[in-house]
Amino acid sequence: AAGVIQSPRHLIKEKRETATLKCYPIPRHDTVYWYQQGPGQDPQFLISFYEKMQSDKGSIPDRFSAQQFSDYHSELNMSSLELGDSALYFCASSLETNQETQYFGPGTRLLVL
Amino acid sequence: AQTVTQSQPEMSVQEAETVTLSCTYDTSESDYYLFWYKQPPSRQMILVIRQEAYKQQNATENRFSVNFQKAAKSFSLKISDSQLGDAAMYFCAYRSKYTDKLIFGTGTRLQVFP
Repeated sequence: AAGVIQSPRHLIKEKRETATLKCYPIPRHDTVYWYQQGPGQDPQFLISFYEKMQSDKGSIPDRFSAQQFSDYHSELNMSSLELGDSALYFCASSLETNQETQYFGPGTRLLVL
Repeated sequence: AQTVTQSQPEMSVQEAETVTLSCTYDTSESDYYLFWYKQPPSRQMILVIRQEAYKQQNATENRFSVNFQKAAKSFSLKISDSQLGDAAMYFCAYRSKYTDKLIFGTGTRLQVFP
């Protein structure tokens, strides 16, 4: 079965640079979620979108922004990167009729030097 | 605010044996969802099992089952006939009916010995 696709899988950036993470949900899934998992920590919810509109917002820094496009894929834009942004970024998706269950992608590992 | 607590940082089990991972949560809501996710060394987050709070019957998925005690706010995961491939970090997670976010516990690292 098709899964959530995230690209790139690995990304190395310098401090103060920008990064864009992409997420392609499972076909027919219309809701996407972004999570950040720091080293040795549990995932923390950042933001979610349903039908291209922001649905919920968590602990997302002001330096980060995200959007969902008409084909339901989503992008997380991160600017003025800091060392503390180094983490594994997960995208998850769900179907409106089964919204409570989120299926995760493999994650993008971001390293900020 | 809701919280999820996993009091066992590490657990170990012998292959083919049974192990139970504990999870408690705190909420004032009556309608919510609970999940167990598995994170192997690849760091992929894999859904293991889910439970709707309004259902009294405990969820089961093959070798995985839960013991859901709503009054006690407890949601433990039982893994039967443990396999080497079950070795992973296991996260318990809570989702309110009214928000999108999953609230995770700190995880339990499960080791499986041959």
